[in-house]
Amino acid sequence: SAVISQKPSRDICQRGTSLTIQCQVDSQVTMMFWYRQQPGQSLTLIATANQGSEATYESGFVIDKFPISRPNLTFSTLTVSNMSPEDSSIYLCSVEVAGGATNEKLFFGSGTQLSVL
Amino acid sequence: QKEVEQNSGPLSVPEGAIASLNCTYSDRGSQSFFWYRQYSGKSPELIMSIYSNGDKEDGRFTAQLNKASQYVSLLIRDSQPSDSATYLCAVIPNTGGFKTIFGAGTRLFVKA
Repeated sequence: SAVISQKPSRDICQRGTSLTIQCQVDSQVTMMFWYRQQPGQSLTLIATANQGSEATYESGFVIDKFPISRPNLTFSTLTVSNMSPEDSSIYLCSVEVAGGATNEKLFFGSGTQLSVL
Repeated sequence: QKEVEQNSGPLSVPEGAIASLNCTYSDRGSQSFFWYRQYSGKSPELIMSIYSNGDKEDGRFTAQLNKASQYVSLLIRDSQPSDSATYLCAVIPNTGGFKTIFGAGTRLFVKA
């Protein structure tokens, strides 16, 4: 299993500003994922963050808007840049824990509830 | 066509009944399938994974997979009010990557 600490848990931000979300894992993991969950909707993958290489972004998400850092195997940050009200959402980091009977199991952080005014 | 489709519900069942949740997926080559439970205001947590055709049972939960029909289901026996949550079907498609694609989720209400 993995214990993930994500912060901040929530924030209210002004339009045009940026917010950096931090994700700390209690063990070394190869792959970390950043998801967005808009109200009443499911999780949409933003990007995959690998240590030592550039993050891989999904269609519709770009590095200038969502820069990601992955300095080591236990930590990652996601920045939401130049925010607009459309960025209001829950942002979740997750890690994949492979091996055993449940390969590719995802563990999630507690999420960051972002509101942009 | 969405990659993973679920009926959004809500699905309402009485306590003690069987709740049946369904999911279809578009990538025929997908090999890994999951059900996550998400309580309101909380993060998803994995409750079942299945990789082969047929049934897989874990306590009150049974996952069913039919790759020919591209169909995954979750049965919850003896439903309890504490099972009330949104259930997310998730698939790792055969695209050469490791990303997990989630369905929109089915809201389940178990009435006491």
